[in-house]
Amino acid sequence: NAGVMQNPRHLVRRRGQEARLRCSPMKGHSHVYWYRQLPEEGLKFMVYLQKENIIDESGMPKERFSAEFPKEGPSILRIQQVVRGDSAAYFCASSPMPGRTGNTIYFGEGSWLTVV
Amino acid sequence: AQSVTQPDIHITVSEGASLELRCNYSYGATPYLFWYVQSPGQGLQLLLKYFSGDTLVQGIKGFEAEFKRSQSSFNLRKPSVHWSDAAEYFCAVGARHSGGFKTIFGAGTRLFVKA
Repeated sequence: NAGVMQNPRHLVRRRGQEARLRCSPMKGHSHVYWYRQLPEEGLKFMVYLQKENIIDESGMPKERFSAEFPKEGPSILRIQQVVRGDSAAYFCASSPMPGRTGNTIYFGEGSWLTVV
Repeated sequence: AQSVTQPDIHITVSEGASLELRCNYSYGATPYLFWYVQSPGQGLQLLLKYFSGDTLVQGIKGFEAEFKRSQSSFNLRKPSVHWSDAAEYFCAVGARHSGGFKTIFGAGTRLFVKA
């Protein structure tokens, strides 16, 4: 499968636990984006990363949330000490290096986090 | 910063009828515009995009969209809706920011198709 791969697809965590969501971009893509979709809401931008570099994290909550995209391996979105309000679908997207004529992002199937 | 407005939260059309989903954007320069579709429990699939050139763009599944700079709009259309088109549709605008390119989404329009 050459698409954006996210895992796990579904994750259940108790309040206070940690959630780790993984994303492998499409082959040849160097940029990764994380979005959050709350029930009955649209997609909210969270963070935009390149290998070993956070380009834009203006949508990330200031506390408990972090993201990385190491030189080797998938991008990780980490949520510490989860609360019920973190329950949402988290989507990863990837793109090649943005070109002069714009940029198209391609989405994974999402990771659904439920906090109980 | 760019923003996107989809005025209709949900729309219901009859199968075989035409469809138009509205999208208005706000951005100071030339925008890059997209429409994505999401079925329940799934990720987003790209329907079409506009970067430059012909303002009427064709996409997959028989969809098209027209960029109207004067109205800051990028409405999605389909001449004849099929029951399988029932889904949520997201308009998005991309723009360059320092260091990269950011895509912002509207709140979405949920399409219901009745027999």
